[in-house]
Amino acid sequence: QSVLTQPPSASVTPGQRVTISCSGSRSNFGRNPVNWYQQIPGTAPKLLIYSNNERPSGVPDRFSGSKSGTSASLAISGLQSEDEADYYCAAWDDSLNGPVFGGGTKLTVL
Amino acid sequence: EVQLVESGGGLVQPGGSLRLSCAASGFTFISHWMSWVRQAPGKGLEWVANINQDGSEKYYVDSVKGRFTISRDNAKNSLYLQMNSLRAEDTAVYYCATVRTVTPSAWFDPWGQGTLVTVSS
Repeated sequence: QSVLTQPPSASVTPGQRVTISCSGSRSNFGRNPVNWYQQIPGTAPKLLIYSNNERPSGVPDRFSGSKSGTSASLAISGLQSEDEADYYCAAWDDSLNGPVFGGGTKLTVL
Repeated sequence: EVQLVESGGGLVQPGGSLRLSCAASGFTFISHWMSWVRQAPGKGLEWVANINQDGSEKYYVDSVKGRFTISRDNAKNSLYLQMNSLRAEDTAVYYCATVRTVTPSAWFDPWGQGTLVTVSS
């Protein structure tokens, strides 16, 4: 059972927009920003969004993040087949001195 | 190019030991906290351990406390994970990752390609 809660799956058609939710608790989301990772099957996770809504260099602006209270979301617009992957939210947990992850959302592009 | 390369995974019997290594290049290794994160087959990501820049602070997920030890050699730009008393539930791909921080935020970037540890008789 993951500490952060995400929907297990989502499916959208190319060109559409999808939002993936992530909910936590005060010990992790309380003051700590949320990060998002993308994992294409068979590869290592890759940083997608950090500090709630910041994109690393090279990540398209089709990807955006937001956070409010103990909930966060990742939005992907103009979906492409290459976006088919697992998406994980994460936040530092002060009680662990380490991060907690969501269970992951498998995104299927139909 | 910023790169992390893990090694040392393999098949080990329950109760056995294994030492994972992670070689870092392309960034100032000594300036960063480092972590190990694992992923059991078909499952999600689980943080395992953290170590600070000089190795004086170490933190572990409860399930590995007393069995796993994280360490680093800054002279060799290398991170390690000594795993003892291995259990079937430790079977996973183990990733090393660099911790990037802008207080209060912390995130992992980059990640290594992972090394598979299989605990089975």
